[in-house]
Amino acid sequence: SQTIHQWPATLVQPVGSPLSLECTVEGTSNPNLYWYRQAAGRGLQLLFYSVGIGQISSEVPQNLSASRPQDRQFILSSKKLLLSDSGFYLCAWRNPTSALFFGPGTRLTVL
Amino acid sequence: KQEVTQIPAALSVPEGENLVLNCSFTDSAIYNLQWFRQDPGKGLTSLLLIQSSQREQTSGRLNASLDKSSGRSTLYIAASQPGDSATYLCAVAGGTSYGKLTFGQGTILTVHP
Repeated sequence: SQTIHQWPATLVQPVGSPLSLECTVEGTSNPNLYWYRQAAGRGLQLLFYSVGIGQISSEVPQNLSASRPQDRQFILSSKKLLLSDSGFYLCAWRNPTSALFFGPGTRLTVL
Repeated sequence: KQEVTQIPAALSVPEGENLVLNCSFTDSAIYNLQWFRQDPGKGLTSLLLIQSSQREQTSGRLNASLDKSSGRSTLYIAASQPGDSATYLCAVAGGTSYGKLTFGQGTILTVHP
């Protein structure tokens, strides 16, 4: 069966610090991968998606970036965090029937 | 641009009641529609996926219907239980969206004993 992991689970970072969130998927190969953000009082917003290694599409202009160095690894990064980057970050993968399955999420607080 | 609306925003019912959550979307050219459940502080759990060619899907006490032409979906929960308390999210994937989902704001459901 497929499993999706995210770490860390929670993170508190000062403004201006770098960020690296990691997502890995087990039990599948060449999945489509997605980063979503859920901010307080707002719905889920798609940030990035990837259809393969090194292939990244950005949905929203911002100071975040994503990378896919391996088939089942998806990384969300920032060089300098802003207060507005606080939120709940969710990684997801798409199965062959086109259903999306989400990881447990990372709660990021920028102070 | 696709917009997804969920009504009601919040719902409180006594245990045992049957209930319906509503989802509407503005662009009927969807690939599929998915219902999720989110517990506080947790990720999303997939409940049901309805492909654009389907009318409904069932899983246990849950039944989701899709009327693509009118841009509507409903999630029916039978014999509600306190453990059903959560936020329920509806999301649609566009026709050529590579699985990108547009989410509604969710319905917060509370089932009290």
